[in-house]
Amino acid sequence: GQNIDQPTEMTATEGAIVQINCTYQTSGFNGLFWYQQHAGEAPTFLSYNVLDGLEEKGRFSSFLSRSKGYSYLLLKELQMKDSASYLCAVRENPSWGKLQFGAGTQVVVTP
Amino acid sequence: DVKVTQSSRYLVKRTGEKVFLECVQDMDHENMFWYRQDPGLGLRLIYFSYDVKMKEKGDIPEGYSVSREKKERFSLILESASTNQTSMYLCASSPGTGAWETQYFGPGTRLLVL
Repeated sequence: GQNIDQPTEMTATEGAIVQINCTYQTSGFNGLFWYQQHAGEAPTFLSYNVLDGLEEKGRFSSFLSRSKGYSYLLLKELQMKDSASYLCAVRENPSWGKLQFGAGTQVVVTP
Repeated sequence: DVKVTQSSRYLVKRTGEKVFLECVQDMDHENMFWYRQDPGLGLRLIYFSYDVKMKEKGDIPEGYSVSREKKERFSLILESASTNQTSMYLCASSPGTGAWETQYFGPGTRLLVL
């Protein structure tokens, strides 16, 4: 089984940077995903990390440290539309494609 | 674009009713999943299926069953709905068992059991 922890809520102003941390404990790590979920909508894929280091995709970056059981999602140049819940999810090995999700971090972007 | 559709966006049922939630994906994906999402608890896996007629229990299968008679369709059944099954239900699919393969989610069904 796994324990996945992420903060419940974060608030930041438009144009700023926010870092959402995720820590996990797993018996067989096989990758970490970040999803974005706007209120009332389906989660959508943001990033995947399986090796240590930083993956950058436009304004969003995701970092992984397998030895520390730690990841973060970095949102730069925040826009109002970035107000959403951000879900950290871990894939164990063997997987059958299954993911274990954290409870999600609600990011509120203020003008 | 991958499309995952769910039969209803909102559903109101009475305690004891049998409830069917339908999910269809159009990308020939092998795997399909049913989650429920509750505030503060995140997404919790109810059941999943990795092939037609195959099913596996997730973390919270009690009170639910599933059916996968065709590859594109995965149904969640509440045999006798109870008020603690009031929740948002999300269906997802993924292509295969590659570790990098993301899941694609449907829009969700918000179920209220009275």
